[in-house]
Amino acid sequence: EVRLVESGGGLVKPGRSLRLSCTASGFTFGDSAVSWFRQAPGKGLEWVGFIRSATYGGTAEYAASVKGRVTISRDDSKSISYMQMDSLKSEDTAVYYCTDYSYAYWGPGTLVTVSS
Amino acid sequence: DIVMTQTPLSLSVSPGQPASISCKSSQSLLHSDGKTYLYWYLQRPGQSPHLLVYDVSSRFSGVPDRFSGSGSGTDFTLKISRLEAEDVGVYYCMQGIQFPTFGQGTNVEVK
Repeated sequence: EVRLVESGGGLVKPGRSLRLSCTASGFTFGDSAVSWFRQAPGKGLEWVGFIRSATYGGTAEYAASVKGRVTISRDDSKSISYMQMDSLKSEDTAVYYCTDYSYAYWGPGTLVTVSS
Repeated sequence: DIVMTQTPLSLSVSPGQPASISCKSSQSLLHSDGKTYLYWYLQRPGQSPHLLVYDVSSRFSGVPDRFSGSGSGTDFTLKISRLEAEDVGVYYCMQGIQFPTFGQGTNVEVK
């Protein structure tokens, strides 16, 4: 069974940093890109970024709204993807989700609240 | 970015009645590989999005056959043949030919 679980969310002050994790199981993680999405309270879904598999260079791409503040990485030995979020703003408050390359499987999400 | 426009934004349907949601993209979603990267999701209250349909019309594993997707190019439709109580939630279309973007969402409730 394919499973993804996000963790690392919480309450953080503006300007601070947070690292989210996406732990995967049930598929060959190393062969899969991993995408991150977010959903602000009461709002729609927004793509944040993704990281390619090592086969495709392991490089990442980011949405304009987070570029320069977010870094996505992966540890294929642990089947985990990380999203380092720096210089957090109130508008980054959202539930953050990760998905597999097919966008078929989503985790339950982790809530990030940026507030003083 | 590709803009996805859904209509209607809300829908109230009696149980057992059909429902239809339209999604239009600002650019064609037909890729050179022959696939059209259009997805439909249902997000039930308090849950993460759940994939219903991919590649315009392919139902994801376990999705009831009352859900069907159709369309091509820039115009797409999700139809529910007979609405059930468990179908309540927000439906999103998403394009995957470029960095993903979503429609605004259609809130479906049971009348």
